[in-house]
Amino acid sequence: SAVISQKPSRDICQRGTSLTIQCQVDSQVTMMFWYRQQPGQSLTLIATANQGSEATYESGFVIDKFPISRPNLTFSTLTVSNMSPEDSSIYLCSANRNMNTEAFFGQGTRLTVV
Amino acid sequence: EDKVVQSPLSLVVHEGDTVTLNCSYEVTNFRSLLWYKQEKKAPTFLFMLTSSGIEKKSGRLSSILDKKELFSILNITATQTGDSAVYLCAVDAGNMLTFGGGTRLMVKP
Repeated sequence: SAVISQKPSRDICQRGTSLTIQCQVDSQVTMMFWYRQQPGQSLTLIATANQGSEATYESGFVIDKFPISRPNLTFSTLTVSNMSPEDSSIYLCSANRNMNTEAFFGQGTRLTVV
Repeated sequence: EDKVVQSPLSLVVHEGDTVTLNCSYEVTNFRSLLWYKQEKKAPTFLFMLTSSGIEKKSGRLSSILDKKELFSILNITATQTGDSAVYLCAVDAGNMLTFGGGTRLMVKP
């Protein structure tokens, strides 16, 4: 597996503001994903970050709220826009080297919106 | 809709006990089943299972998949306090993972 550096590790933000989370992989990967884990719950996929094109969002998640960039095969960002307390969660990025290998995860970002 | 269900929801055992965690799934395009251990934020990879009946083992942890009955188990023998974590099961059903709700394991000294 490879190593993903995710930052920030945690943040406390005011409602109405936006936060951008970055993930840097130490080698090129085919697939990158963004997940949300609300308190006491499991991971929910937000979107697949596609290199060079718009992300593919899962039901219940929209680009205006969670814009994603993936400018190359090693880097992606997720922005949580116009935050409300309901956005308080852990956000995780993950990546696969290719379709037949396991997903590995960044260290996660614990976001608290006040 | 793809579904992954884990049981039990939580478990409290004493050091030295053996535990079995369960994961059942219903997906339309099964590729593999994965187990992760989540202690703080980032899940760490344990096993990937693609074939039925072949046990994967790593130290005190082992896992097996039954593709006919659509379930997997994760066994932990001689548990230690460091095994306390949430254990997540996920199914790869076509380039995305569907996660179960997790089993929270607490191992008491």
